[in-house]
Parts: sequence; C-alpha cells; structure tokens
Amino acid sequence: QQQVKQSPQSLIVQKGGISIINCAYENTAFDYFPWYQQFPGKGPALLIAIRPDVSEKKEGRFTISFNKSAKQFSLHIMDSQPGDSATYFCAASTPMWNSGAGSYQLTFGKGTKLSVIP
Amino acid sequence: NAGVMQNPRHLVRRRGQEARLRCSPVKGHSHVYWYRQLPEEGLKFMVYLQKENIIDESGMPKERFSAEFPKEGPSILRIQQVVRGDSAAYFCASSGVRDTEAFFGQGTRLTVV
Repeated sequence: QQQVKQSPQSLIVQKGGISIINCAYENTAFDYFPWYQQFPGKGPALLIAIRPDVSEKKEGRFTISFNKSAKQFSLHIMDSQPGDSATYFCAASTPMWNSGAGSYQLTFGKGTKLSVIP
Repeated sequence: NAGVMQNPRHLVRRRGQEARLRCSPVKGHSHVYWYRQLPEEGLKFMVYLQKENIIDESGMPKERFSAEFPKEGPSILRIQQVVRGDSAAYFCASSGVRDTEAFFGQGTRLTVV
C-alpha cells in the first residue's frame, strides 16, 4: 500500500535555527517528491520538490535532501523565522502518462506543525 | 494557490442533507483532483478527473460520493446523505497536461451537524 511516513508530528525551533522534517516512503515507483506548506485556513502551497535523480535541491532557505537507497527524504529550513510557522507536508507521486495526458495523484504524509519562536 | 477557486469556503449541513462543493481550476488546466483532509491528518486523494471523464476514483467512498468535471463549468464534488464523519476540509487541485505541479484551492470546510 502506498504510504509516506512523516516525522516529527510537531516541532518547535528558535528563530534562526534549523528546522528538519523527515519522510520515508515504501513505494519505489514514486518519482516526484514535493513539500507543501499550509497555513491555518489555507490550502497547501508547493514549497519545493525533487526527483530521485538528484540527492539535494536548494531554494533559498529551503533544502530537500534525498536518499534513494534508504527511501527517505527531508526538508531543512535554514535560519528559521516566525513567518515559517505552519504545517508542512511531504508527498510523493507516481505520474501516469496516458495518451498525452498526465495524472498526478499525491500521497501525503500526516504533516508536521512547525512553530518558530522568537 | 494560483487561481484555483473553491466555493463555498464553509458549508454546514444537517445529517442526511446533500453537500455540493465546487471547484474552478486554474485557467487552462484540464486536470482536477479532489482531496479530503481530516483534522490533524494529511490530505487523502479522492478522485482525479479530466474534462467529462473520471480517470481515477480509487480514493472515493463507494457510496454517497460522486464527482464530475463537465465540459463547461466547475468541477463538482457531491456528497449525498451526509453523516458526521464527512466533516472535513475538501481541497481541489488542478494541473495542466504533463505538469508535475498541482495548485491547490483554499478548500471547503464541511461541517455536518
């Protein structure tokens, strides 16, 4: 069964610190791994994503580290700020291309509630 | 969140009533996905639709739930005879052909009383 396990469930980090959220998956057919950020009352917004052909991707303060052999990937938030306080979801998908169309079914982790304190 | 419009934002229904949730995808997007989020949980895939076609409904409950994406107009997620357990946030996402990024709407929060 497709599953993505995310930890920790909640995380408190001092302003300026590094926030680290981990995810593990089982389905080796997954080939796209996005991270979403969700603020209360809002929909998830794509933060950063990676494919298994690279081990790391960095965008500003956000970095994804990917370990294909261990089937694990993680999000690092450098210099964490109070404005980063949100729930973060990892996800994975197996795109299915059929007759020129694409599909995009995401399997989500359960989320990590990050609180960055001043 | 780039342009996916969901309405209503909040919906209260009594047990046994019907709930109808609407989703207008990003202009030009032909793929729509519905997800359900229970409190303190991640999003769970429900259904994937293209115009006038249901492509994958493996996440939809077998009874009371249906979805459509007509040639004209928004995608509709319909829940008949709602029960308390249907209370959740329902999110719609859309993507273009061969796009890997899906844009999510702000969700409809359904409360069944």
